[in-house]
Amino acid sequence: DGGITQSPKYLFRKEGQNVTLSCEQNLNHDAMYWYRQDPGQGLRLIYYSQIVNDFQKGDIAEGYSVSREKKESFPLTVTSAQKNPTAFYLCASSMLLKETQYFGPGTRLLVL
Amino acid sequence: GEDVEQSLFLSVREGDSSVINCTYTDSSSTYLYWYKQEPGAGLQLLTYIFSNMDMKQDQRLTVLLNKKDKHLSLRIADTQTGDSAIYFCAESPNQGGKLIFGQGTELSVKP
Repeated sequence: DGGITQSPKYLFRKEGQNVTLSCEQNLNHDAMYWYRQDPGQGLRLIYYSQIVNDFQKGDIAEGYSVSREKKESFPLTVTSAQKNPTAFYLCASSMLLKETQYFGPGTRLLVL
Repeated sequence: GEDVEQSLFLSVREGDSSVINCTYTDSSSTYLYWYKQEPGAGLQLLTYIFSNMDMKQDQRLTVLLNKKDKHLSLRIADTQTGDSAIYFCAESPNQGGKLIFGQGTELSVKP
């Protein structure tokens, strides 16, 4: 059953802590993306990766970091430098860059 | 600039048609998309249209594209309570890999 999985569903962060959100896909897609969604707003791009070992900053990359060591995986780290991390984080993938994107179920990050 | 605009709310009666409208700014966009988001869930791809098409129909969904006015609409025929969700319009500009999303239209279907 192909798809995109994100874990955990909910994540709590303490002040000064880095947290990592997982995104895995078994669709054999080359490109992967991270978006942030705030209430009542559309999605904003944080980072994207066209291929393994390559990634590019999106519109709101400050306070976030990513890695792409495997084709299937694109984890997102929310660092302590991100002062307003509370949001819904969505991972997506596409066969190639600029092609149709498919989304995972999301991770909701809350600050304690 | 890059901007996608949608109205925020739409309320319809069950069985009626719903029309959700969207305007976009980047004429280089090759594809335009409609996604559906249910509460607490990710985005589900509903349909998309290639920029050289005027219309696309897929079962209860009809997408109309007016490229001259940069206007996109999604019509849902025979709207059901299960269609209640937030609907996002998105464009795919030639530059970069991102989608540009509208703010989403919350569709409420009343029985």
